[in-house]
Amino acid sequence: DIQMTQSPSSLSAFVGDRVTITCRASQSINSYLNWYQQKPGKAPNLLIYLTSSLKTGVPSRFSGSGSGTDFTLTISSLQPEDFATYYCQQSHSTPFTFGHGTKVDIK
Amino acid sequence: QVQLVQSGAEVKKPGASVRVSCKASGYTFTGDYIHWVRQAPGQGLEWMGWIHPNTGGTEYAQKFQGRVSMTRDTSTSTAYMEMSSLRPDDTAMFYCARLSGAYYFDHWGQGTLVTVSS
Repeated sequence: DIQMTQSPSSLSAFVGDRVTITCRASQSINSYLNWYQQKPGKAPNLLIYLTSSLKTGVPSRFSGSGSGTDFTLTISSLQPEDFATYYCQQSHSTPFTFGHGTKVDIK
Repeated sequence: QVQLVQSGAEVKKPGASVRVSCKASGYTFTGDYIHWVRQAPGQGLEWMGWIHPNTGGTEYAQKFQGRVSMTRDTSTSTAYMEMSSLRPDDTAMFYCARLSGAYYFDHWGQGTLVTVSS
């Protein structure tokens, strides 16, 4: 199974800060890396697919990059509605494993 | 628009089984895989497996093999996930999600909370 190591597990930031979350796969997953946002009591919501493609309707302050084993989600200017938990997920091969999540809260 | 609507919360005793449904609408049900994801309280997301509604083919995470069964009813565009021999540590929210052709979960159900308690 492919292990996904996400860091940090939590972070505190101010509105307007630039935030970076990283995800490392235990083996190459090419570009099959997706990012989801989850707010308390809600289902996860796709933000970025295939490493860097922004889902329609997702603000452009979100971006993704990487390839192979190392990937990054960046929020260029954190907004109040961005405080949530973020998960990476590989879809290269089953089982489709998730990172353990990064909780972003207000500083 | 695409919607996945799940059945309501369940409370079960240890050793019992539970079946969660996921009714799809707004797209061709038989065209895309449905996956199931578990989330224990305060924990992360755990992939459980998939079913292809057209063929009924399934694949389960090794952790759940022998205890989980995924089925579908194409006449009602509904997918089902049944888990048996429930334990208190199975208490979780269960989500169904549609896998897009480009290998990401583009739509999710609202979740079904299953509580296992004596």
